[in-house]
Amino acid sequence: QQQVKQSPQSLIVQKGGISIINCAYENTAFDYFPWYQQFPGKGPALLIAIRPDVSEKKEGRFTISFNKSAKQFSLHIMDSQPGDSATYFCAASKVPPGNKLVFGAGTILRVKS
Amino acid sequence: GAVVSQHPSWVICKSGTSVKIECRSLDFQATTMFWYRQFPKQSLMLMATSNEGSKATYEQGVEKDKFLINHASLTLSTLTVTSAHPEDSSFYICSASALAGSYEQYFGPGTRLTVT
Repeated sequence: QQQVKQSPQSLIVQKGGISIINCAYENTAFDYFPWYQQFPGKGPALLIAIRPDVSEKKEGRFTISFNKSAKQFSLHIMDSQPGDSATYFCAASKVPPGNKLVFGAGTILRVKS
Repeated sequence: GAVVSQHPSWVICKSGTSVKIECRSLDFQATTMFWYRQFPKQSLMLMATSNEGSKATYEQGVEKDKFLINHASLTLSTLTVTSAHPEDSSFYICSASALAGSYEQYFGPGTRLTVT
């Protein structure tokens, strides 16, 4: 019930292409769904996050699509660039103060120039 | 804004010794801080949650006596790895929430611990 399943494990995309990473969850008590970007040897950085009251959120080249009935959410990176090459983690948490983040396994993205 | 720092960024210690890692929120007061451990090519695993002035809440399987957490102020939390062993070698990352009721967590840059 606490798991967040993330796919694919790794992804190679051509420069300018669209990168798509998917996550699924089981616990309907989850109320917050962030995506993090992590470069080697660095801490994760928040990219974008969504609450269940909306089905899509866009910030620049990053879009989260959220399907509450399917308990799935995805990250789309438009016009992918070599600088986007990193590991991406989806996560989920409940309403604060119980907002411990449960992370997906991560996706290693490589954008080929 | 919302910057979290960690010190040191990397540390090497001998087996059996203790090492302290500091996590500071630089421009906000952190009501809650979280400590994670990340092994190479793996995800982040939550170790414990701490609130200022309270005892930390540890996740199942995390040894309280080995990983001592102190949240002495609204801007500082420390993680002490006691009697470190090579299997404790990992990347330790802290995060902080700015307000009670806030969803967002701001992550520090991490501390690489190597136990020889």
